[in-house]
Amino acid sequence: NAGVTQTPKFRILKIGQSMTLQCTQDMNHNYMYWYRQDPGMGLKLIYYSVGAGITDKGEVPNGYNVSRSTTEDFPLRLELAAPSQTSVYFCASSYSLARGTDTQYFGPGTRLTVL
Amino acid sequence: KQEVTQIPAALSVPEGENLVLNCSFTDSAIYNLQWFRQDPGKGLTSLLLIQSSQREQTSGRLNASLDKSSGRSTLYIAASQPGDSAAYLCAAHNYGQNFVFGPGTRLSVLP
Repeated sequence: NAGVTQTPKFRILKIGQSMTLQCTQDMNHNYMYWYRQDPGMGLKLIYYSVGAGITDKGEVPNGYNVSRSTTEDFPLRLELAAPSQTSVYFCASSYSLARGTDTQYFGPGTRLTVL
Repeated sequence: KQEVTQIPAALSVPEGENLVLNCSFTDSAIYNLQWFRQDPGKGLTSLLLIQSSQREQTSGRLNASLDKSSGRSTLYIAASQPGDSAAYLCAAHNYGQNFVFGPGTRLSVLP
């Protein structure tokens, strides 16, 4: 199993440009998440999905969009990139959140710089 | 709203020392609490998960404890090694909510 994979690993955007961060998991997990991590800070939840066709906002959704057409894929779209979106983005997945033993599996991250 | 803090922000110890990392949370109605390891430039890897009904979990040289009444969890690392150098994050999971992460403790173990 590859687990959770993310592409690209690094990207530099100009202000106002758009891009899509890709995330794929091969563990047949229902739940998928997008986080951002700023230096010295914990992870902030952007969006999450509890299954194909179902998405919901997290703590910091402004400036982002998501879709979930398949169980495996959960892309994150940045429209009109701004310097405040410079961060490291992590995708994660879990089987559910309804069991006390559920944990999240993380991808390696995408380092995004907006200039 | 759940808030998670971690002290210290950074820690440097000589190889072989035993050490304790601290995690505090404001809402004690947690489902579970997890400790993750993050290597530079990498994603997070789950180390230990403590369910709300448990007091501690152990894996090798790692021991995590949970005290819901005081809103605290500790991660004990025995006989530290340079390979333990990484950031350690704790995350609280409340019923019906998503994980809330602390800012992490950056650990350096010096040879």
